Amino acid sequence: TQLLEQSPQFLSIQEGENLTVYCNSSSVFSSLQWYRQEPGEGPVLLVTVVTGGEVKKLKRLTFQFGDARKDSSLHITAAQPGDTGLYLCAGTGYSGAGSYQLTFGKGTKLSVIP
Amino acid sequence: ETGVTQTPRHLVMGMTNKKSLKCEQHLGHNAMYWYKQSAKKPLELMFVYNFKEQTENNSVPSRFSPECPNSSHLFLHLHTLQPEDSALYLCASSAQDRRNSGNTIYFGEGSWLTVV
Repeated sequence: TQLLEQSPQFLSIQEGENLTVYCNSSSVFSSLQWYRQEPGEGPVLLVTVVTGGEVKKLKRLTFQFGDARKDSSLHITAAQPGDTGLYLCAGTGYSGAGSYQLTFGKGTKLSVIP
Repeated sequence: ETGVTQTPRHLVMGMTNKKSLKCEQHLGHNAMYWYKQSAKKPLELMFVYNFKEQTENNSVPSRFSPECPNSSHLFLHLHTLQPEDSALYLCASSAQDRRNSGNTIYFGEGSWLTVV
């Protein structure tokens, strides 16, 4: 069974601060996705990373895939209230017999206070 | 607008009712999924359909019955549910071939279900 641990579970910060959210596993993933989910809505895909060491930027958000493809981080610069939401990481890993499975972390609930 | 549309967005039903959740995807994908999201739990995969065939049933109780008439539509039929089944039910789709190669999935906005 592949597990993804996200930390921190909850994060409350002031507008303008920087933050980093982590997604860790002992398993190797072929790709990893980050989603943001607002209350009452479905998760919205932010980014997919596939190469070890890959860094992708989306405005103030920077995503990094670990060299060994077992972990990832999301860094937000100068957080805004609009960044508030649940951030989910999901990893695609080989589960044997030619099939893959998608594993979700429990999420990091971010609150940005104006 | 993610290309995956779920209806209804909110549903309240009694334990003896029969209702259905509907999902439609406009992305040309071949795989569709039902997930359950409860408070304080990770997303739970319920069912996977690949090219209209059910390829995964994650030990879901029989009071949840999926139906996939074609690659663009997915239903979840609900019958004699329990209050603990109240949750956000998310439909998703991906461009996935029969070998289940794990492409990125795209979610609908979810259907909030309350069982009373």
